[in-house]
Amino acid sequence: GENVEQHPSTLSVQEGDSAVIKCTYSDSASNYFPWYKQELGKRPQLIIDIRSNVGEKKDQRIAVTLNKTAKHFSLHITETQPEDSAVYFCAARMNSNSGYALNFGKGTSLLVTP
Amino acid sequence: DGGITQSPKYLFRKEGQNVTLSCEQNLNHDAMYWYRQDPGQGLRLIYYSQIVNDFQKGDIAEGYSVSREKKESFPLTVTSAQKNPTAFYLCASSKTSGRAVGELFFGEGSRLTVL
Repeated sequence: GENVEQHPSTLSVQEGDSAVIKCTYSDSASNYFPWYKQELGKRPQLIIDIRSNVGEKKDQRIAVTLNKTAKHFSLHITETQPEDSAVYFCAARMNSNSGYALNFGKGTSLLVTP
Repeated sequence: DGGITQSPKYLFRKEGQNVTLSCEQNLNHDAMYWYRQDPGQGLRLIYYSQIVNDFQKGDIAEGYSVSREKKESFPLTVTSAQKNPTAFYLCASSKTSGRAVGELFFGEGSRLTVL
């Protein structure tokens, strides 16, 4: 099945700096790549996603880039704020044999210090 | 107010007991999923269902069972055969057609502790 690798596992930045989280995937047929944010004790929530027919998508301070040839995608957060502190998960949709289930990376714990 | 409801939020179980976690959604989504979350392990797929009366095993289905008798409901039973059941369990649902197909909406989770 699909294998998603995520790096780094922890990331600490100062408020106002940028943060970048990177993921790679193994199944070249994957076509949907969402990013979820999970605050402590809460449910994961979708913050941005990208489909394989585009290379970049931006929403205010967050952006995602996709390189299908290299099979990797990245999350970029600019002008970080303390409320950005959370665990971020990347995911890739598995092949059609698994329906619409997502395969997740192991997560990146982001800490934004004032 | 549409969403996914999981219950109970916290559950304690003695070894050797089966427990069932409830998941109900009123989003009219066809697909539902169960994931298990352990520290540092991300979310791992236990079972998923694309349609009523049909479900498929995920990566870590051993020791778990599910049913999908109604579109709105997808309960998960953690059986005594599951060797390490203490974990945080997340239920999710998604559309299977139209805009935002495949976007997962999660419940608030159920934390199971085996004593």
